[in-house]
Amino acid sequence: GIQVEQSPPDLILQEGANSTLRCNFSDSVNNLQWFHQNPWGQLINLFYIPSGTKQNGRLSATTVATERYSLLYISSSQTTDSGVYFCAVGVTTSGTYKYIFGTGTRLKVLA
Amino acid sequence: DSGVTQTPKHLITATGQRVTLRCSPRSGDLSVYWYQQSLDQGLQFLIQYYNGEERAKGNILERFSAQQFPDLHSELNLSSLELGDSALYFCASNSGGRSSYNEQFFGPGTRLTVL
Repeated sequence: GIQVEQSPPDLILQEGANSTLRCNFSDSVNNLQWFHQNPWGQLINLFYIPSGTKQNGRLSATTVATERYSLLYISSSQTTDSGVYFCAVGVTTSGTYKYIFGTGTRLKVLA
Repeated sequence: DSGVTQTPKHLITATGQRVTLRCSPRSGDLSVYWYQQSLDQGLQFLIQYYNGEERAKGNILERFSAQQFPDLHSELNLSSLELGDSALYFCASNSGGRSSYNEQFFGPGTRLTVL
């Protein structure tokens, strides 16, 4: 089945720094979402981005579907950005549609 | 707030027991998805229901079952619980059908601890 790999697995930043998180997928996908899981476990939608580029405040994302990767950019990081960032891809296999999550990037932003 | 609600927030039970987790989708959404997040397996898709019918199945154990009711809320039933079933269980919803490819909105999760 499709493989979804995220890098780096762990990231420590000083407050104010910028970072780029990457999501690689091994096959064509129907869609892609980025999530932030906060320290309380809640999954927060960041972007629904099957292709192209989107921006929301300090966050932006780019998906290049033909090259099978997506990037999440975090600028001027804040301590509240800490948590785990997941990408999830939607794929259709044998006529059924399902979401496959990557293993996540654990981000810690230091004050 | 995603608009998806899940109850209970926390559940502590013993091995061998049976529990029911409940999910109410966003208003207007017809599709409900269940996911399990455990320490060793990460976030895994379990099952999807669309307008009361099972639409897709993932890595769901035979001890687990789900259903979606006419009012579109869904329940995930976990039976003969084992220690390894301890996890965070998420429910997500979207409009489903031809729009299954649309983004999914996740509830706050139910944290299950099996002792």
